[in-house]
Amino acid sequence: EAGVTQFPSHSVIEKGQTVTLRCDPISGHDNLYWYRRVMGKEIKFLLHFVKESKQDESGMPNNRFLAERTGGTYSTLKVQPAELEDSGVYFCASSPQGTYSPLHFGNGTRLTVT
Amino acid sequence: ELKVEQNPLFLSMQEGKNYTIYCNYSTTSDRLYWYRQDPGKSLESLFVLLSNGAVKQEGRLMASLDTKARLSTLHITAAVHDLSATYFCAAAQGAQKLVFGQGTRLTINP
Repeated sequence: EAGVTQFPSHSVIEKGQTVTLRCDPISGHDNLYWYRRVMGKEIKFLLHFVKESKQDESGMPNNRFLAERTGGTYSTLKVQPAELEDSGVYFCASSPQGTYSPLHFGNGTRLTVT
Repeated sequence: ELKVEQNPLFLSMQEGKNYTIYCNYSTTSDRLYWYRQDPGKSLESLFVLLSNGAVKQEGRLMASLDTKARLSTLHITAAVHDLSATYFCAAAQGAQKLVFGQGTRLTINP
């Protein structure tokens, strides 16, 4: 079984530019999550999809962040325009139906905004 | 608001020794997760603890949960170098949102 795949693994962009991160969950997992770890801080929840619907986006920092999940499969997280404080590691995770299932995480995308 | 605190944040220990990582959470949560992360890698699920008094063991790692004290522990027995990693606990808030602790960076020296 392939794991959660994230692309790119690293991205370096300048302030004001746009970046799109992609996540391919484990096949058949209805739940997809985005988390972020800013350097030195905790891993923080951004949002949760169930299939193609946003279940909870309470962790999204502001309207510069836009997440989509096309057809309930892969997801993208776009940051436009990027700011310095957006630098960090963005993790995607997926899980099957069932509240108690552990989340399966991808390797993360390290975003550096200069 | 649910907050999760781990301690210690950094732990350097010798092979063969025992140690415990503590995870406190501030409000009621119906499940507690432990994850391991190697540098540049994904978070690997270690344990899911669902009820008061739950204890789970895998190799040299044992996790327990005390919901009344809002405390989970991860105990390492006779540490070996391969266990060097960062360990995170996370408590569930609501149906699916996880709130993570800061992580404990564990280094095991020969």
